[in-house]
Amino acid sequence: QVQLQESGPGLVKPSETLSLTCVVSGYSISSGSFWAWIRQPPGKGLEWIGSMYHNGNRWYNPSLKSRVTISVDKSKNHFSLELTSVTAADMAVYYCARDVKGGTHDYWGQGALVTVSS
Amino acid sequence: QSALTQPASVSGSPGQSITISCTGTSSDVGGDKYVSWYQQHPGKVPKLMIYEVSNRPSGVSNRFSGSKSGNTASLTISGLQAEDEADYYCCSQSIGSVIFGGGTKLSVL
Repeated sequence: QVQLQESGPGLVKPSETLSLTCVVSGYSISSGSFWAWIRQPPGKGLEWIGSMYHNGNRWYNPSLKSRVTISVDKSKNHFSLELTSVTAADMAVYYCARDVKGGTHDYWGQGALVTVSS
Repeated sequence: QSALTQPASVSGSPGQSITISCTGTSSDVGGDKYVSWYQQHPGKVPKLMIYEVSNRPSGVSNRFSGSKSGNTASLTISGLQAEDEADYYCCSQSIGSVIFGGGTKLSVL
């Protein structure tokens, strides 16, 4: 059973960097698949942030590309998200997910609510 | 990139069938076999219901079906049940990225 779990600060100050980690269990990141971050502002829809292939290739949402970095630590079987210069518009539930191909997200984490406030 | 276009809401009575549309462009929905659909109940994690336009993951009811014509994909739910009341999102691969639809709220009257 593949499981994903997000972790990281639930409160980030405006202009600072949001950092989240997704620990994967039941499947080795090195085995394949894409690993994605998706967010959902309160009361709104899903927004794809970006994803990384197991070989390190990365794709980012063009609207966030200048502020986003997704990285992977295969030794710990986890991948991470960094979003710089956050504003209130970045307040959302952040999900990590496995993307088996082309946006097919079959396993999701429980989500991490990140609030942006001073 | 713009979100795929979905109706904001649809409704139906128990036992009826409904269809949710998802319109994109030839660069995403129209040009690719990678269209997926997700169900999300309030406060819950999205659940994959359909992948590659019309395939159901193991465990998903056969009341859920997907199709595509041109730049528009569709999710059909037959034999509506109260538990189907949820938000539904389509998703497609685009050039170098992934795009979600804006979401559709399904009400079972």
